[in-house]
Amino acid sequence: AQSVAQPEDQVNVAEGNPLTVKCTYSVSGNPYLFWYVQYPNRGLQFLLKYITGDNLVKGSYGFEAEFNKSQTSFHLKKPSALVSDSALYFCAVRGVNAGKSTFGDGTTLTVKP
Amino acid sequence: GAVVSQHPSWVICKSGTSVKIECRSLDFQATTMFWYRQFPKQSLMLMATSNEGSKATYEQGVEKDKFLINHASLTLSTLTVTSAHPEDSSFYICSARDGGPAETQYFGPGTRLLVL
Repeated sequence: AQSVAQPEDQVNVAEGNPLTVKCTYSVSGNPYLFWYVQYPNRGLQFLLKYITGDNLVKGSYGFEAEFNKSQTSFHLKKPSALVSDSALYFCAVRGVNAGKSTFGDGTTLTVKP
Repeated sequence: GAVVSQHPSWVICKSGTSVKIECRSLDFQATTMFWYRQFPKQSLMLMATSNEGSKATYEQGVEKDKFLINHASLTLSTLTVTSAHPEDSSFYICSARDGGPAETQYFGPGTRLLVL
């Protein structure tokens, strides 16, 4: 079985400050890891993914995430937050032989001016 | 990135009627499509997974006779909510993937269903 935990329901940061949205996972074998963002009343937009290779993955809108195998984590980061980054963020994991992804419960990011 | 469209974006219907939601992959072939339901401020609930030309695989607790899924082509899947009731009111989101597990899932914009 595969699972994802996003331990924080809400993350608040000031504009211009760095942000981190946490994600830990559990899966048999090597994981495929994904981050998505959802704005109100919209579908999910793909931000980035880790499949293999470099542990630091860069994605859309200046976001990046670091795969840490020993800590089974894939935290999403951005050096300088924007108010427009305020949204709901989902982490997802899929095992190499899994047909479907498992999504976390989501973390609401609020960036204040 | 790849684009997935959904239609309609909003639908209001009377209790007892059926509603069909279309999901299309616009610039890629979707070998696998997924249908999710999302309640306010909650995570995604996977309803079913479908592969083109095959019957959908429903998640436990999802009534296959109530939520009919058809994936007739590599670019189109439909979800029909039959005999809708107010408790079926929700935000339905489709997702599509081209290829195996390493491939990215792309999501549609969602359909808001309100059953009166």
